[in-house]
Order: sequence, then C-alpha cells, then structure tokens
Amino acid sequence: EVQLVESGGGLVKPGGSLRLSCAASGFTFSNAWMSWVRQAPGKGLEWVGRIKSKTDGGTTDYGTPVKGRFTISRDDSKNTLYLQMNSLKTEDTAVYYCTTVRGGDYYYYMDVWGKGTTVTVSS
Amino acid sequence: SYVLTQPPSVSEAPGKTARITCGGNNIGSKSVHWYRQKPGQAPVLVIYYDSDRPSGIPERFSGSNSGNTATLTISRVEAGDEADYYCHVWDTNSDHPVVFGGGTKLTVL
Repeated sequence: EVQLVESGGGLVKPGGSLRLSCAASGFTFSNAWMSWVRQAPGKGLEWVGRIKSKTDGGTTDYGTPVKGRFTISRDDSKNTLYLQMNSLKTEDTAVYYCTTVRGGDYYYYMDVWGKGTTVTVSS
Repeated sequence: SYVLTQPPSVSEAPGKTARITCGGNNIGSKSVHWYRQKPGQAPVLVIYYDSDRPSGIPERFSGSNSGNTATLTISRVEAGDEADYYCHVWDTNSDHPVVFGGGTKLTVL
C-alpha cells in the first residue's frame, strides 16, 4: 500500500525556519516525482512545489508565493521528501500535504496524498 | 495567470445526480483532475485526465471536459459523497503550470 507520512510541523515565529519531512513507502520512491501542496485554514488548495526523480534530472519548481524561500529536496536512500521553509510569514500558516505526482506529456496530477502536517506561523 | 472557477456550493438530494462545474479559458484543451476532500481529511483523487477513475473510486463518479467547462458528475448521490471537491490543471506549457479551482462544497440534502 502506498503511504506518505508527513512530520515536522509546529509553531514558528515570523521570519523563522522549519523543515518538513515526508516518509514514503509502498512504491519505488526514487522513481517518483513528488510535490507539496498546502491548505490555509478554511481555504482551498495551493501548490507549493515539485521535485522530479533524479533520473529525470531531480529539478524543482515552485509556486510564486514561496519561490526563493522554500526548498524541496529528497533523500532516495531514506525514501524521504523534505520541504525547507525559510523566512516564514503568517500567511504560510497551513496544513502541508506531501503527494506523489503522476502523468506525462505536459499534463500531471497529484495521485496519492499524505494526511498532512500543520504549520502555524505566529508571534 | 490561468484561473479555474467553481461554484462555492452545490446541493442535491440522495439518489439524484450532482454536477460540479469548473470553468476556465479553453479548459477543453487541457487535462482536468478532480479531488474530493471530506472534513478533517486529506484530498483524494477521484478523476484524472478529464474522465479516468482511479481504482477504488465508484463508477458513480464521472468527468467530462469541453470548451470552457469541465464537469464532475456524481450519479446516485449518497450521504457519504458530501465533501469539498476541487478541480485541478497541471499544464507544463503554461506560465503558471499548477492551478486549483476554489473548491465546491457538495451538500447532500
């Protein structure tokens, strides 16, 4: 069974940093593209970013609100995805979901989602 | 940037057919995906590539996409279908490749 388990959320002050982790199991993680999606309280879904598999270049792409502040990385030896969040703002408060990415030929989608981890940015 | 527009809410009685729309400029030329999110839970993929169903999703769920509107259709609506539904487009040809609709709350009367 494909499983994604996020961790690392918590309360952090504005301007602070936090690193989220996503432990993957039940599939070949090294071959998978992965993404992070967030959801602010009472709001809709917002894409944070994506990382390709190393065989596809391992490159990352980010949504405009987080570009330059957030970094996605992966450790295929540990089947783990990371989200390093720096210069956090109150508007980054959200539940952060880790997802697998499927698709090809320009069109992709989020296949499996973790249960999420909550990040609260407040003084 | 590309915008996906969903009605905030849709209501339907049990046993009837619910239709949730997702509007976007020439959305019919893109691939649309749909997610269901029940309260306090993570989203779940229910339709991908306009009309394909992942394993485990009932045949009651179907999708279509043409012109400026994509539609998620839920036949024989059940109380357990009550949830928020989001449409999604991920088009790497676009300047803003990943877009979600604002979500639609389906209420089963």
